[in-house]
Amino acid sequence: DTGVSQDPRHKITKRGQNVTFRCDPISEHNRLYWYRQTLGQGPEFLTYFQNEAQLEKSRLLSDRFSAERPKGSFSTLEIQRTEQGDSAMYLCASSFPAVPAYEQYFGPGTRLTVT
Amino acid sequence: QKEVEQDPGPLSVPEGAIVSLNCTYSNSAFQYFMWYRQYSRKGPELLMYTYSSGNKEDGRFTAQVDKSSKYISLFIRDSQPSDSATYLCAMSRNNDMRFGAGTRLTVKP
Repeated sequence: DTGVSQDPRHKITKRGQNVTFRCDPISEHNRLYWYRQTLGQGPEFLTYFQNEAQLEKSRLLSDRFSAERPKGSFSTLEIQRTEQGDSAMYLCASSFPAVPAYEQYFGPGTRLTVT
Repeated sequence: QKEVEQDPGPLSVPEGAIVSLNCTYSNSAFQYFMWYRQYSRKGPELLMYTYSSGNKEDGRFTAQVDKSSKYISLFIRDSQPSDSATYLCAMSRNNDMRFGAGTRLTVKP
């Protein structure tokens, strides 16, 4: 399968713990996006990388959230001191560089539950 | 007011029916208009996109954009049980993409 992969698929954590998610984009896709999707809502943009450079961050990305893409390939999203409001599906998407934003390919998501 | 408004449904139709899904938006700067399909516990997958106003047809699916009314639609003809999913409208300008809340569709055999 050469699609976008995310790990883990599910994560249950206690409030206050730190969690880290990984996204592996489609190879040769140099753009990588993170979104958050809560129940009954559409995905909300969090941040976007072109290669290893983080080019845009949403206001939704509080100081407790940090994303990296150290070698321009896979990316990690870390949430520190998790809160119950962080419970959501975290989606990763990737695309080729010279295409409009709509041509994003989404991974299956990581479902986070904070208890 | 949200930038993109979409009726969450749920919408239930019999197999073979024509389905109409709609979204309205407020930002006239949007250039690309998309429809994504999302099955339960999966990521969204792109169904169709349209640039600016007009119609686009792909098999049983037709997307319409009316920029003057800030209104987009997706029509599904001869709906099948396999079309049961959540349909998300989305619109973008450059790399800025906004999604609707999604409409949950069930097509009953």
